[in-house]
Amino acid sequence: KAGVTQTPRYLIKTRGQQVTLSCSPISGHRSVSWYQQTPGQGLQFLFEYFSETQRNKGNFPGRFSGRQFSNSRSEMNVSTLELGDSALYLCASSLVGSRNTEAFFGQGTRLTVV
Amino acid sequence: AQTVTQSQPEMSVQEAETVTLSCTYDTSESDYYLFWYKQPPSRQMILVIRQEAYKQQNATENRFSVNFQKAAKSFSLKISDSQLGDAAMYFCAYPQETSGSRLTFGEGTQLTVNP
Repeated sequence: KAGVTQTPRYLIKTRGQQVTLSCSPISGHRSVSWYQQTPGQGLQFLFEYFSETQRNKGNFPGRFSGRQFSNSRSEMNVSTLELGDSALYLCASSLVGSRNTEAFFGQGTRLTVV
Repeated sequence: AQTVTQSQPEMSVQEAETVTLSCTYDTSESDYYLFWYKQPPSRQMILVIRQEAYKQQNATENRFSVNFQKAAKSFSLKISDSQLGDAAMYFCAYPQETSGSRLTFGEGTQLTVNP
């Protein structure tokens, strides 16, 4: 079956702009999580959505937001982009998002803010 | 909150040899899970192996095995008969105690496999 698909793969934006990233989970998976990966901070949890509701949220400013649609596809939005938002954004899906289940990751969206 | 530490930023191993990657964590929980994920140059994270804390037996998946020492809060990954395709960044991860999915990752260890 198809894996987790993230679009676009690469993105270049200017400071102050906003951006929307998309994630299509594996069919049947209801939990979608987002992570930011940078050389300095490593992998950091952004938020998790389950059945269209935000279930967990990491320690990121309100400029970072997300949503999940009824087909489990998820989007994350970053407004008023800053240079420090340049990162690899990874999406992960799992069946129900419990602690013992495997999270399947997409290949990420590389965001560069100039 | 739980923390995960990987003290080896880089490791290298000769093809066909064995290498061990270290991970320590801090938690007050008695029952939990631990994962090792691999991130190759394609950037896609792949689950390598998982361990359940209440199981005394160390998990094994083909050439990959763990040395889980609960009292010491240590969770190392051993790769036997290393192959060129094992070259990647390896992350130790702890799923947080929460209703849902929230992984805390270590800093990662970049593994190089030399032919």
